[in-house]
Amino acid sequence: DAKTTQPTSMDCAEGRAANLPCNHSTISGNEYVYWYRQIHSQGPQYIIHGLKNNETNEMASLIITEDRKSSTLILPHATLRDTAVYYCIVRVARGKLIFGQGTELSVKP
Amino acid sequence: DTGVSQDPRHKITKRGQNVTFRCDPISEHNRLYWYRQTLGQGPEFLTYFQNEAQLEKSRLLSDRFSAERPKGSFSTLEIQRTEQGDSAMYLCASSLAVTSGKVNEQFFGPGTRLTVL
Repeated sequence: DAKTTQPTSMDCAEGRAANLPCNHSTISGNEYVYWYRQIHSQGPQYIIHGLKNNETNEMASLIITEDRKSSTLILPHATLRDTAVYYCIVRVARGKLIFGQGTELSVKP
Repeated sequence: DTGVSQDPRHKITKRGQNVTFRCDPISEHNRLYWYRQTLGQGPEFLTYFQNEAQLEKSRLLSDRFSAERPKGSFSTLEIQRTEQGDSAMYLCASSLAVTSGKVNEQFFGPGTRLTVL
């Protein structure tokens, strides 16, 4: 299973962009990068996923490097409600998600 | 609410007792997953079903753990002879199966928090 490395914690000012990095240097060619987040005491919530190209949806943007060894999740205008643990996941066969420890993002007023 | 639901939300039990948790997935989802999460850690995969068939079990799932999805809809996770180390949040998720290379997101329930005294 491909592994991911993320910073343990990050701070971001409310209204600013939050850029969350993830290293997945052992990713193989057909493995997607998924991002989920978990707000305290809730189940994880899907944010976005990508394979090779950059992706954007109503929640975030995902930038994947050309060699696919790292990616960055961008929350363009962070709010206090974005405070959560963010997980970068490289999906394996049959849909099983392998979570790491994630990045605890604190959005501060 | 048409999301994934889990029952109970909280369970406190004494060591050695059996407990059972229920998960109701989103109705059209044929994949159902169970994960376990301990404090400060990310969720860990336990097992998953496609329809009623249990297709994979993690080595974390000792023989005290059993999961079923008898009619391909709701699922139960039973822990026999609970131990203090079983204390965790048990999360259920559902999704559509992967078809033609399309990868589908998993929708998680709120979890059942188990405390074994």
